[in-house]
Amino acid sequence: RKEVEQDPGPFNVPEGATVAFNCTYSNSASQSFFWYRQDCRKEPKLLMSVYSSGNEDGRFTAQLNRASQYISLLIRDSKLSDSATYLCVVNFPGTYKYIFGTGTRLKVLA
Amino acid sequence: NAGVTQTPKFRILKIGQSMTLQCTQDMNHNYMYWYRQDPGMGLKLIYYSVGAGITDKGEVPNGYNVSRSTTEDFPLRLELAAPSQTSVYFCASQGGNQPQHFGDGTRLSIL
Repeated sequence: RKEVEQDPGPFNVPEGATVAFNCTYSNSASQSFFWYRQDCRKEPKLLMSVYSSGNEDGRFTAQLNRASQYISLLIRDSKLSDSATYLCVVNFPGTYKYIFGTGTRLKVLA
Repeated sequence: NAGVTQTPKFRILKIGQSMTLQCTQDMNHNYMYWYRQDPGMGLKLIYYSVGAGITDKGEVPNGYNVSRSTTEDFPLRLELAAPSQTSVYFCASQGGNQPQHFGDGTRLSIL
């Protein structure tokens, strides 16, 4: 099993749709989780941290399910500008290294 | 705010040449990282550093060297460039358990 796994997509959704991505991780001792956004040929940028109780930032909601070892990202009311690749990031326990998923590609269609 | 600065942004090298990719951060972060990203692929960790004078190998260190003489700077050196090192290179810094901040990247082609 890969340390961090994501469905590569692409997820093609119409504007205004709600879309959700999951990311599974293999090490139950991982404690830090993040979602990053990466536009084509650009650097990854932090979208949001993922907290144990779940957290929301505008149209974006992140959840952590420790029992099943996955995190999720929900995007409501999708905009054309949300088209990007979304990277799941999990810490390597006992270190300051982070493991990046290969990303899920989202295309929001007009 | 400068954040993480990488230079150069683009470079073309001939096989066997050497070069240094520069990375500097002004956030006083202890932790710094070098990644490479091949087309359509995820980020792979090359080297990382937890503080000045301390470096360690990541997932794909072969063909690269690093140094960390100051908190701010973390250069990545390619000694004998090979076509397999054609990639986009990202430097990142991190403070404590906080998220990583990335530079704009260096696009390197080796012909």
